[in-house]
Amino acid sequence: AQSVTQLDSQVPVFEEAPVELRCNYSSSVSVYLFWYVQYPNQGLQLLLKYLSGSTLVKGINGFEAEFNKSQTSFHLRKPSVHISDTAEYFCAVSEGSGGGADGLTFGKGTHLIIQP
Amino acid sequence: DSGVTQTPKHLITATGQRVTLRCSPRSGDLSVYWYQQSLDQGLQFLIQYYNGEERAKGNILERFSAQQFPDLHSELNLSSLELGDSALYFCASSRRGDTEAFFGQGTRLTVV
Repeated sequence: AQSVTQLDSQVPVFEEAPVELRCNYSSSVSVYLFWYVQYPNQGLQLLLKYLSGSTLVKGINGFEAEFNKSQTSFHLRKPSVHISDTAEYFCAVSEGSGGGADGLTFGKGTHLIIQP
Repeated sequence: DSGVTQTPKHLITATGQRVTLRCSPRSGDLSVYWYQQSLDQGLQFLIQYYNGEERAKGNILERFSAQQFPDLHSELNLSSLELGDSALYFCASSRRGDTEAFFGQGTRLTVV
């Protein structure tokens, strides 16, 4: 069975500072990895995904993530955050075919708090 | 706007009651997924339907049931409600199981 661990429930960061949100997963097979963002009172929106190929994945809003198979990690990074990045971030893993919506398992989320 | 519509946005009801949550997927999407988001459990997969048929089941209680209709909209029925059922219920849809999921804005259920 697959599982996802987001190591930090809350990450406070000053505006324009870099940020890294950590995600580790466990699975017995090859996986597909995702980061979703949830803004206040909104549904989840896909930030980026790793299906195969280059381990560095670029997403929307200047975010990127690096897949590290040996460390079973998929950490999310942004070099300079903005107030508008304040949101809940979810890491997810799927063993489903094609890396789609089937069999998505989510982490508990990391609340990113941007301080002015 | 993801294209997935959930109604109602908010629902307050008493313990022991039954409610129905509705989801209209994006046009052309055949798969519908239901998730429950609570503070203690996080985001939990409940159930998936594909083109009218149940395809996968997650941590869905026996008091809960769902269905997908011929026009592909889906309903999640929650009965004998308990205080612990208070949560945000999300619907997501995808073209097929191997394509990206798009999430609705959720229905916030409060059981009092």
